[in-house]
Amino acid sequence: GEDVEQSLFLSVREGDSSVINCTYTDSSSTYLYWYKQEPGAGLQLLTYIFSNMDMKQDQRLTVLLNKKDKHLSLRIADTQTGDSAIYFCAENTGGFKTIFGAGTRLFVKA
Amino acid sequence: EADIYQTPRYLVIGTGKKITLECSQTMGHDKMYWYQQDPGMELHLIHYSYGVNSTEKGDLSSESTVSRIRTEHFPLTLESARPSHTSQYLCASNQGQPGTDTQYFGPGTRLTVL
Repeated sequence: GEDVEQSLFLSVREGDSSVINCTYTDSSSTYLYWYKQEPGAGLQLLTYIFSNMDMKQDQRLTVLLNKKDKHLSLRIADTQTGDSAIYFCAENTGGFKTIFGAGTRLFVKA
Repeated sequence: EADIYQTPRYLVIGTGKKITLECSQTMGHDKMYWYQQDPGMELHLIHYSYGVNSTEKGDLSSESTVSRIRTEHFPLTLESARPSHTSQYLCASNQGQPGTDTQYFGPGTRLTVL
């Protein structure tokens, strides 16, 4: 069945890079997303990648996709305290349904 | 920034009350969604709509109901709130076209039923 898995917690020091990992099971996934959720707020789209791409870079964010292993990662360069949040990986196979992971809680220590 | 709004942001209510959570979007999106999210947990799809007069139940069974009389409006109703309904409710929308399938989320309604 469809499933998206993420590690639950990540702690880094300010200025270091953060790498958040995600695995998905549906090989027909068309779009893969990273969303950010700050406390008490909704989800904010950070970036997305099409399944025919291996990498996408957007300022401090780098997304890597390994289709063979069904592995997606989000790298945040020069992590700041404002990056502390929950990061959700999500996949969509082209239909109405987007499957979300449980979220990775990123803690940034000053 | 997404133009999708939810009211109220916070609601504390007693058991047995009827409540309606409002969700509106001004982007003209056809598809709208309601998710339930317990604190620190994943999102569960409880309702979705393809367009006006279309509503479907999601993966997670919910005692709530929804309606879609206008494109921009997708309210969620609980006829008789119970403590087990305490959760955060997130509304989202998208156009559902290839290449623009990103869901835009509202800020959420945090519901507490005493």
